[in-house]
Amino acid sequence: RKEVEQDPGPFNVPEGATVAFNCTYSNSASQSFFWYRQDCRKEPKLLMSVYSSGNEDGRFTAQLNRASQYISLLIRDSKLSDSATYLCVVNMGGGSYIPTFGRGTSLIVHP
Amino acid sequence: AAGVIQSPRHLIKEKRETATLKCYPIPRHDTVYWYQQGPGQDPQFLISFYEKMQSDKGSIPDRFSAQQFSDYHSELNMSSLELGDSALYFCASSLGYNQPQHFGDGTRLSIL
Repeated sequence: RKEVEQDPGPFNVPEGATVAFNCTYSNSASQSFFWYRQDCRKEPKLLMSVYSSGNEDGRFTAQLNRASQYISLLIRDSKLSDSATYLCVVNMGGGSYIPTFGRGTSLIVHP
Repeated sequence: AAGVIQSPRHLIKEKRETATLKCYPIPRHDTVYWYQQGPGQDPQFLISFYEKMQSDKGSIPDRFSAQQFSDYHSELNMSSLELGDSALYFCASSLGYNQPQHFGDGTRLSIL
């Protein structure tokens, strides 16, 4: 079982839709959490950090549920340009800070 | 704003050759990470450095080594290259550990 798991999708949604992705992690000592987006054959780009209290950046909202060990990303009013793979990254705790990526969730926004 | 710079962008090698990939982190960033991403895979953590000292080690083969120099740039040295080493290699940097990472454009390594 992978330490960080994501539904690979693809999520196929029309423009303007709201879509949410979850990412579960296995290590309860994990300390920091991030969402990245990656376009085909390009580098991952930081979308947002995920804080315990939840945080929002424009159309994007990230939340952390430590009890159930998952993070979520909500995208409102989807744009064509949101089409990408969304990767969650968890820094495993327990004395090391090895960043572990999920396999990514593919989002396709269509007209 | 300055970003993470990797060189070369593309590299073609033959089996059993050696390769050196370079990474120049964002100025003032003290932590550097190396990743390998195969086709259709997520980035796999190889190794990281904090303040020029090796910090954590992931799934880095023994044929690979890396170091961070006094100017904070880092190099990933790969020897006895195998076909399976063909991948995108990313470097990322952060300001402090456990902080958001910023990625370079990557080096695409092809082994013939």
